[in-house]
Amino acid sequence: DTGVSQNPRHKITKRGQNVTFRCDPISEHNRLYWYRQTLGQGPEFLTYFQNEAQLEKSRLLSDRFSAERPKGSFSTLEIQRTEQGDSAMYLCASSHLLTSEQQETQYFGPGTRLLVL
Amino acid sequence: GQQLNQSPQSMFIQEGEDVSMNCTSSSIFNTWLWYKQDPGEGPVLLIALYKAGELTSNGRLTAQFGITRKDSFLNISASIPSDVGIYFCASTGTASKLTFGTGTRLQVTL
Repeated sequence: DTGVSQNPRHKITKRGQNVTFRCDPISEHNRLYWYRQTLGQGPEFLTYFQNEAQLEKSRLLSDRFSAERPKGSFSTLEIQRTEQGDSAMYLCASSHLLTSEQQETQYFGPGTRLLVL
Repeated sequence: GQQLNQSPQSMFIQEGEDVSMNCTSSSIFNTWLWYKQDPGEGPVLLIALYKAGELTSNGRLTAQFGITRKDSFLNISASIPSDVGIYFCASTGTASKLTFGTGTRLQVTL
């Protein structure tokens, strides 16, 4: 396995359109995270899954955003009715954690850069 | 919002020089991670620290988890042109999500 992959790498859309991004985690990683990064800033947490369960959502995740991980493998992040403020890099990360005592390390994908015109 | 203060914000150094950057917080964290990000790419993990006081090396990189659990530093020895990029510290507290610093932009001159 070569790591976390994300598709598409780039997306340009018009305001008001819906977009969907896909993340394929490292094989057998049970946790999957979504982050958003705007220019000049560090990534900010959006949401994460353990297997197919969505365990936490940030207040950054408005009701126009929805994420799924239906079979506990790949995940999709959908943004409905996009706004110019949604323009950012959307990053996916995965990790493998069995118990709370384990050390968890998140590995990132290359990101999807979204531009909303 | 972000809670980690990272410094310096940017630095120009000459090839061969040593580099030091640090990250501080007002809160206690359980892990400290250092990532490097190239333009248009995702962050790449450099070093992970899991215990207060831990000092870990990875080639020319050395990082330490502060004893108070509120800070960490990253040193790069004998910098080379491919060290150019943005370095981020990141931490987790009781939750699994990462909180990132504001980044240190490193530029190396020949």
